[in-house]
Amino acid sequence: DADVTQTPRNRITKTGKRIMLECSQTKGHDRMYWYRQDPGLGLRLIYYSFDVKDINKGEISDGYSVSRQAQAKFSLSLESAIPNQTALYFCATSASRGTDLSYEQYFGPGTRLTVT
Amino acid sequence: AQKVTQAQTEISVVEKEDVTLDCVYETRDTTYYLFWYKQPPSGELVFLIRRNSFDEQNEISGRYSWNFQKSTSSFNFTITASQVVDSAVYFCALSKDSNYQLIWGAGTKLIIKP
Repeated sequence: DADVTQTPRNRITKTGKRIMLECSQTKGHDRMYWYRQDPGLGLRLIYYSFDVKDINKGEISDGYSVSRQAQAKFSLSLESAIPNQTALYFCATSASRGTDLSYEQYFGPGTRLTVT
Repeated sequence: AQKVTQAQTEISVVEKEDVTLDCVYETRDTTYYLFWYKQPPSGELVFLIRRNSFDEQNEISGRYSWNFQKSTSSFNFTITASQVVDSAVYFCALSKDSNYQLIWGAGTKLIIKP
């Protein structure tokens, strides 16, 4: 089973709808991230969470909100979707302490979101 | 400000050729970390390597090798005897010591032709 899972994998929604993307991890990592990927722009950070009570805005947080329901779960919401939020969304995790201390991030498979 | 530049948007080579992907970074931090990730056509992001700023030793892993040079702020990635399965988008990224946010380059699309 994958260590970082994302649901749904694909979603088509209409402008103005609220949508939630979910991420779960079994790696036991404390840090979780949401990125979006647009062609030619690489990955851009939307929000990140260092633990359940520590959530921070990233580079492009406008139009998005997040919830860290538990150490293993981090969801991303688009309150009112617009077409330019059409992108590939990735969740990632990393460990800041313990034997798993590392600086690299491990990614979920991505969610392809289309807003029409 | 931190920045990562991958000037090569797309590279196309014939199988078995060697290919080098360039990565140039900017940071004022004395301690930082550099990464390479691979994104194959299936879309997932695969971690390849992490390098610490205080360790300039080059690294080789099979057909992959990485050349880290602080003097030129570069962290280049070479694939020797390329194979079709190496076709992917490769990303270089940078993070600060005290902050684990990754700053990403725009990626280099590598096409290996049979």
